[in-house]
Amino acid sequence: NAGVTQTPKFQVLKTGQSMTLQCAQDMNHNSMYWYRQDPGMGLRLIYYSASEGTTDKGEVPNGYNVSRLNKREFSLRLESAAPSQTSVYFCASSEVVRGSSNSPLHFGNGTRLTVT
Amino acid sequence: GQQLNQSPQSMFIQEGEDVSMNCTSSSIFNTWLWYKQDPGEGPVLLIALYKAGELTSNGRLTAQFGITRKDSFLNISASIPSDVGIYFCAGFSSNTGKLIFGQGTTLQVKP
Repeated sequence: NAGVTQTPKFQVLKTGQSMTLQCAQDMNHNSMYWYRQDPGMGLRLIYYSASEGTTDKGEVPNGYNVSRLNKREFSLRLESAAPSQTSVYFCASSEVVRGSSNSPLHFGNGTRLTVT
Repeated sequence: GQQLNQSPQSMFIQEGEDVSMNCTSSSIFNTWLWYKQDPGEGPVLLIALYKAGELTSNGRLTAQFGITRKDSFLNISASIPSDVGIYFCAGFSSNTGKLIFGQGTTLQVKP
């Protein structure tokens, strides 16, 4: 049972380059999320998708775009990477939006991105 | 906006010792969650708390949902080396629909 799978695990980009982080879940969850983790700042929500066909901004959406390709897949795109986007990115999924009472988040293992 | 203050920021303890960490906020939450992140992996849910005053255990872990709904603590008894990692609290508010994470507590255990 794979759960939430993220690719790639590591990536180095130069400033201005673009890339897409992929995420897929096999738990038939409705909601999917992208977080970034920075030292001393916990996990901050970038974008989320409450259900297939919908996406919404989180706390720190600037510089990112997302696509909910189908129920299983939710991708995060950096159109023009900046050093401030160096971070660890986590995809997560849950039964209902925002990890409410009966549906805590399930996380992938992260993508470690460095922008030089 | 809503914020969670998690403390301590880091802990370095001897194997066998008990550990306590907590999260506080000026806002009320409906659900408190505690996650653990092992090095190189994503956070994994340890304990979920749904009612004010609720005390829940999971093996050597015990967590409580504060009566005021503005705080929660996590205790680990008789720590072992595999307890090493980053522990995150998270609070969910049905009013805002937001799940907020604390900054994390990094735990190191000396054998």
